[in-house]
Formats: sequence, C-alpha cells, structure tokens
Amino acid sequence: DTEVTQTPKHLVMGMTNKKSLKCEQHMGHRAMYWYKQKAKKPPELMFVYSYEKLSINESVPSRFSPECPNSSLLNLHLHALQPEDSALYLCASSQSGAGGPATGELFFGEGSRLTVL
Amino acid sequence: AQSVTQLGSHVSVSEGALVLLRCNYSSSVPPYLFWYVQYPNQGLQLLLKYTTGATLVKGINGFEAEFKKSETSFHLTKPSAHMSDAAEYFCAVSLNTNAGKSTFGDGTTLTVKP
Repeated sequence: DTEVTQTPKHLVMGMTNKKSLKCEQHMGHRAMYWYKQKAKKPPELMFVYSYEKLSINESVPSRFSPECPNSSLLNLHLHALQPEDSALYLCASSQSGAGGPATGELFFGEGSRLTVL
Repeated sequence: AQSVTQLGSHVSVSEGALVLLRCNYSSSVPPYLFWYVQYPNQGLQLLLKYTTGATLVKGINGFEAEFKKSETSFHLTKPSAHMSDAAEYFCAVSLNTNAGKSTFGDGTTLTVKP
C-alpha cells in the first residue's frame, strides 16, 4: 500500500475544462513534488514544495497551477490544457526539500492518468 | 550538476537467470543513488538506495546494487529472475547539496521469459 494517495486515478477533460489533481501524505514529509510521465519515459519534475513553499518550478506552463494548502496536501490545478498534456501525473514526497539534510528518497503515489480531448 | 545513463533500454532474461541492469552516473559532488521500479499503471517504488557507508546495498525483492566510485557505476543485480520482476526500472541520482532534486535515467524495461 502506497502512503501517498492521489485522486482521481483517471481524469478525462476537454481543453476548456478546469479540474484539479489531489495528493495527500501522512508521513510527516516536508517536501512534495509533482512529476509528469509520458509512456516509456522517466518522470519529469514539474514542481517542488519545501515546507509548504514553492521552491522549484521547472518552467512549467501557467495552465498548470500548483497549490500546497498544508504540509500533507498538494494540489495541481489544470486549466485550458492541450492534448499533449495527456500523461501520468505523479505526486511524491520526501523527508526534506532542496538543500535539506535528507537523502532525496522519493515516495510516489500511484498517479493520476490524465487524458485531454 | 548530475546525470544518469542507463545502458540498454530493454533487457530480456529467462526465468531463473541473472538480472543485470546497468547504470552510470556523473556528479560533481558525492551522489546519492537510487533504483526505482515501476509496474504497469503504477507509481515508482524504491528498490534500494546508496547514501554513504557500505557500497553493496541490498533492497527489496532480492535485488542488490554496488556503488563503484572509480567506475561511476551503480548496477542493479538479482541472482535469479522471477516472472514478477518484469517491469520498468529507473536509476536516479541526487546530490547531498540538493537532495530534493533527483535526476532519472531513461529507464530499462525488463522482460522475463518463462
């Protein structure tokens, strides 16, 4: 059983829709991440939150908007997406964020598979 | 900066045979090294990690890896493959100065033949 929970597992949306992906962890981790993964490719880092503050944005288009309401929750708000944004979106957490004392071991959720029509 | 190269995008072994998945890294500072496994339609799961200390590390499901600084390698092995080992395997590196940002290799698809 994964300790990082993502909802929904599947999402189909049109290019004009607004939707959100949600992620929750209860391991006391202070860093949370969004990754995008295309088929047969490695995960690509999108955003990192460290101690509830956005610490890394990998030049992600503004149609993706992250939010970290508290240390256990991470959201990814989606608006005006393109078909090429269809992918598996993975949330992960780690003990600490960039520059912290932890080793960078990531705990992943099972992902939200997004299809944009 | 760091980078990871996984040699061989596809590896096929027979059930019971040795599994060897290759990973080489480059890093300007001592690295932290990881192997993750991904089964179809699932997230990534940590198999094992090297941070400091013993260079031979053991992980879950009978996998192990050896950190060889002189060769900048961190190859993953398992003595006897099982059908359930079929999956995508990713090697990753992070730096002790920026542990929150991991760099992943392109992945290796392991196929196990009966």
